[in-house]
Amino acid sequence: GQNIDQPTEMTATEGAIVQINCTYQTSGFNGLFWYQQHAGEAPTFLSYNVLDGLEEKGRFSSFLSRSKGYSYLLLKELQMKDSASYLCAVMDSNYQLIWGAGTKLIIKP
Amino acid sequence: DGGITQSPKYLFRKEGQNVTLSCEQNLNHDAMYWYRQDPGQGLRLIYYSQIVNDFQKGDIAEGYSVSREKKESFPLTVTSAQKNPTAFYLCASSKTISGANVLTFGAGSRLTVL
Repeated sequence: GQNIDQPTEMTATEGAIVQINCTYQTSGFNGLFWYQQHAGEAPTFLSYNVLDGLEEKGRFSSFLSRSKGYSYLLLKELQMKDSASYLCAVMDSNYQLIWGAGTKLIIKP
Repeated sequence: DGGITQSPKYLFRKEGQNVTLSCEQNLNHDAMYWYRQDPGQGLRLIYYSQIVNDFQKGDIAEGYSVSREKKESFPLTVTSAQKNPTAFYLCASSKTISGANVLTFGAGSRLTVL
């Protein structure tokens, strides 16, 4: 079956760095997405990786290793507004998105 | 500003009643989707549509119905046949189905069955 695994919850300190991991097993691969979702709100797009390597976008970076079925989202200089759930999703060979359950990130002062 | 509007934001329903959730987009996107979000689970696809007057079942279509009479609109009906309808429902759209297919989501509709 198809599966996306990410930690349920993480805690970090304001100003610090946190890495949220995502491992996947899917039928084919057409890209990996990260979305941010504040409680009770719509998910918003953060990043897309289809080739191996690191994509940097401001305070957020996303890494992909297709051979390992692994990605991470790196958040630097954490701010209180970064408290949210972070959703990992993989597009399979049929261009269907398979979603992880999300990682709830708690930022403490 | 372009975006997706979902309504109502909160909805209460008695068992045995059908309810319809509205989803309207002004992004000129061809593809539209309905997802269900439950605590501790990933988003699950209910239905999607790539073009007007055509739609396909997702992973959990049983107990739901949709229509796509206009490009801008993709309403979801939760029927009385849906065994466990209490959930957060998200509508989304994208330009196409394939490739770097970034989804734009609406703010969601929270349905509670009493």
